[in-house]
Amino acid sequence: DTAVSQTPKYLVTQMGNDKSIKCEQNLGHDTMYWYKQDSKKFLKIMFSYNNKELIINETVPNRFSPKSPDKAHLNLHINSLELGDSAVYFCASSQVGMKPGNTIYFGEGSWLTVV
Amino acid sequence: GDSVTQMEGPVTLSEEAFLTINCTYTATGYPSLFWYVQYPGEGLQLLLKATKADDKGSNKGFEATYRKETTSFHLEKGSVQVSDSAVYFCALRTTGNQFYFGTGTSLTVIP
Repeated sequence: DTAVSQTPKYLVTQMGNDKSIKCEQNLGHDTMYWYKQDSKKFLKIMFSYNNKELIINETVPNRFSPKSPDKAHLNLHINSLELGDSAVYFCASSQVGMKPGNTIYFGEGSWLTVV
Repeated sequence: GDSVTQMEGPVTLSEEAFLTINCTYTATGYPSLFWYVQYPGEGLQLLLKATKADDKGSNKGFEATYRKETTSFHLEKGSVQVSDSAVYFCALRTTGNQFYFGTGTSLTVIP
């Protein structure tokens, strides 16, 4: 019963290709996120979706586009892949609300290698 | 703006040593504070949390106390094990429901 699941876990692809990473959460949360983790383990938020509306769009290249068909899914599409896109991408979800301590749940990550 | 600062690693300790990983925060209002752990090859998992001043979060022998006067949430464990080797992230959730993560501290425990 994985709470946040993302596929694929590993992806090796050539420069210039277009790829997608899928994410699904079964927690009933209303907000989903994509994070990028680099080789130094720094976590950078890329996107946040609340009730299917983009509410954060950090300074990421427009080659990256999130798509949310419903509030349980948030897919990440990447066009024209570059070497610098190699990283681990984490999907996450949380419930936005007034209850303090509502936490954020992460998927297991997708290891993207661009060659 | 809101932010989290945690001590840089890597940290290497011998088994049964005492662990402290410092974390301080900047936030308006009354944020919730968290520690997450990332084991090799896995995603981040919630380790413990505290939602108000003087709260102590604890789990698996780890503890952290929400200190509003020093804006800190330091992680401690009295006796680390090899299995505690991981990357530890301090995080806060603002009253506006934004999450901020520290840069992570890598811990290696040697037998």
